Amino acid sequence: GAGVSQSPSNKVTEKGKDVELRCDPISGHTALYWYRQSLGQGLEFLIYFQGNSAPDKSGLPSDRFSAERTGGSVSTLTIQRTQQEDSAVYLCASSLGVGRAHPEQYFGPGTRLTVT
Amino acid sequence: QKEVEQDPGPLSVPEGAIVSLNCTYSNSAFQYFMWYRQYSRKGPELLMYTYSSGNKEDGRFTAQVDKSSKYISLFIRDSQPSDSATYLCAMSAGSNDYKLSFGAGTTVTVRA
Repeated sequence: GAGVSQSPSNKVTEKGKDVELRCDPISGHTALYWYRQSLGQGLEFLIYFQGNSAPDKSGLPSDRFSAERTGGSVSTLTIQRTQQEDSAVYLCASSLGVGRAHPEQYFGPGTRLTVT
Repeated sequence: QKEVEQDPGPLSVPEGAIVSLNCTYSNSAFQYFMWYRQYSRKGPELLMYTYSSGNKEDGRFTAQVDKSSKYISLFIRDSQPSDSATYLCAMSAGSNDYKLSFGAGTTVTVRA
């Protein structure tokens, strides 16, 4: 079946501009996660959604970062006033649920963001 | 000190050899353990998932978890050039904390 999809695959933006990154999780997966992967920091957690609510936003690096999820499906990560240190690959993952039965997270291909 | 430690390598082995990868961690609350494979410029692909301590085998892959030592391993038997990738360990505590904490990843090259 279809996996997690993300768009765009690549995004180049100028410093100070806003960007929106989109994630389509696997159909039926109730949990959705955003991570960031950069050379210096490895893979870092950003935010977690269960349905449309976000019980854990602890990884968002600043108030320039926000995310929402609608209809228990698609999620958008928004970065306002982008800075060069925001350059990274932004990865989305989804899982069927949470808890012992369904903890496995499946990742999308990522969006490579470059801020010039 | 990072919560999850993983030697970044690189690791180079001949085709057919056993690849041995490992991670150590400091958070005793971790109880869900995963291994991902990531090819260049691709997203991580889930290889193995283990809950709590024990061993799990899937084809050429074996995952081991020793919670008493806070040490996890992944073994790849009969390695193939197509196994050349970066391998990431990841773990979570569960119990309302499902975010994954990742190791730095080990880059593996299997030489034909």
